[in-house]
Amino acid sequence: RKEVEQDPGPFNVPEGATVAFNCTYSNSASQSFFWYRQDCRKEPKLLMSVYSSGNEDGRFTAQLNRASQYISLLIRDSKLSDSATYLCVVNIAGSYQLTFGKGTKLSVIP
Amino acid sequence: EAGVTQFPSHSVIEKGQTVTLRCDPISGHDNLYWYRRVMGKEIKFLLHFVKESKQDESGMPNNRFLAERTGGTYSTLKVQPAELEDSGVYFCASSQHLAADPIEQYFGPGTRLTVT
Repeated sequence: RKEVEQDPGPFNVPEGATVAFNCTYSNSASQSFFWYRQDCRKEPKLLMSVYSSGNEDGRFTAQLNRASQYISLLIRDSKLSDSATYLCVVNIAGSYQLTFGKGTKLSVIP
Repeated sequence: EAGVTQFPSHSVIEKGQTVTLRCDPISGHDNLYWYRRVMGKEIKFLLHFVKESKQDESGMPNNRFLAERTGGTYSTLKVQPAELEDSGVYFCASSQHLAADPIEQYFGPGTRLTVT
């Protein structure tokens, strides 16, 4: 079983749509959670950290369910510029290494 | 502020040759990390430096890989001899404080290595 699992997509959505990505992690010792965004042939960039209480940054909302070991990212009012691969990333307590999912590809279509 | 830089951006070498990748972290960042993404797989951790010391090298695949960070500034990752399965994108990342929570790691653009 992979440590971090994501639906690979691709998700093709029209501009203005709402899209949700899900992620599950296997290690219950995971303590920090993130969504990174990666554009084609570019480096991963931190989109947002995910907190237990859930958090929102503009059109982006992240949720964490520790009991189910599940993380989600919701994007509202999709823009063409949101097209990218979204990486679910976790960090295990006591370590500084990040564990990545394979990513979910999003294409926002005009 | 300059981000993490990596050199070269691309490298094509033959099996059995040696390649050295370089990473310059963000100025003032004590923590430096190497990651790798091979085709079709997820990005995987290789190792972590705190200044010039190797804090965690649990992700290094085998002894053909040697990472150094002399002086605690830039780092090099040498692959010797290279094998076909070493092909992939090698990312370097850096972060500021060991105690920072959550850990925010800033990634460089990567070196795309192709072994033929």
